[in-house]
Amino acid sequence: ETGVTQTPRHLVMGMTNKKSLKCEQHLGHNAMYWYKQSAKKPLELMFVYSLEERVENNSVPSRFSPECPNSSHLFLHLHTLQPEDSALYLCASSQLSAASYTFGSGTRLTVV
Amino acid sequence: LAKTTQPISMDSYEGQEVNITCSHNNIATNDYITWYQQFPSQGPRFIIQGYKTKVTNEVASLFIPADRKSSTLSLPRVSLSDTAVYYCLVGDFLSGTYKYIFGTGTRLKVLA
Repeated sequence: ETGVTQTPRHLVMGMTNKKSLKCEQHLGHNAMYWYKQSAKKPLELMFVYSLEERVENNSVPSRFSPECPNSSHLFLHLHTLQPEDSALYLCASSQLSAASYTFGSGTRLTVV
Repeated sequence: LAKTTQPISMDSYEGQEVNITCSHNNIATNDYITWYQQFPSQGPRFIIQGYKTKVTNEVASLFIPADRKSSTLSLPRVSLSDTAVYYCLVGDFLSGTYKYIFGTGTRLKVLA
């Protein structure tokens, strides 16, 4: 257990479904991140939240919608996904101005 | 684009010392150098971080020359369980937090 918990660990969804990924941290951090890791590819930064405000959106398609209701929770809402969106989705958190992240174990998403 | 360059893969034998070198020619004054380890289907795990000279912890050592344009992660006496992908990261400071762009990492394979 790293201190960053992601649920569910595995998710299979159809292209017309709507689902949400959840990330929770109890480390007292105030910055949170979503990364996507596709097979045999580097991690791709999707979103950055600093003090619950989105400060980075790396040209991510609108079918991915992040939400950060407070500094401990981060969601990634999914709708109308494509099979190529199948990947490991990783959440991370850090203290502001700290140069190290704590990652969760990820959600393995399969879009069918 | 990632700000770092490192070898794609390395092989080693159990009990040997492994050194992985990373190039970061455009490192900025306020950038730290951070190394992560990732096992398949898990989130990256923080190994070590440094700014200059040498840093050592219970897992590894990090050597950084005076010009800070490269760094070397040293893993003493590796075991089979050290087989993983190792990422060297230099962050962009954005809105009070560091933004990390991951490269391909170095895939270390430890052989018996």
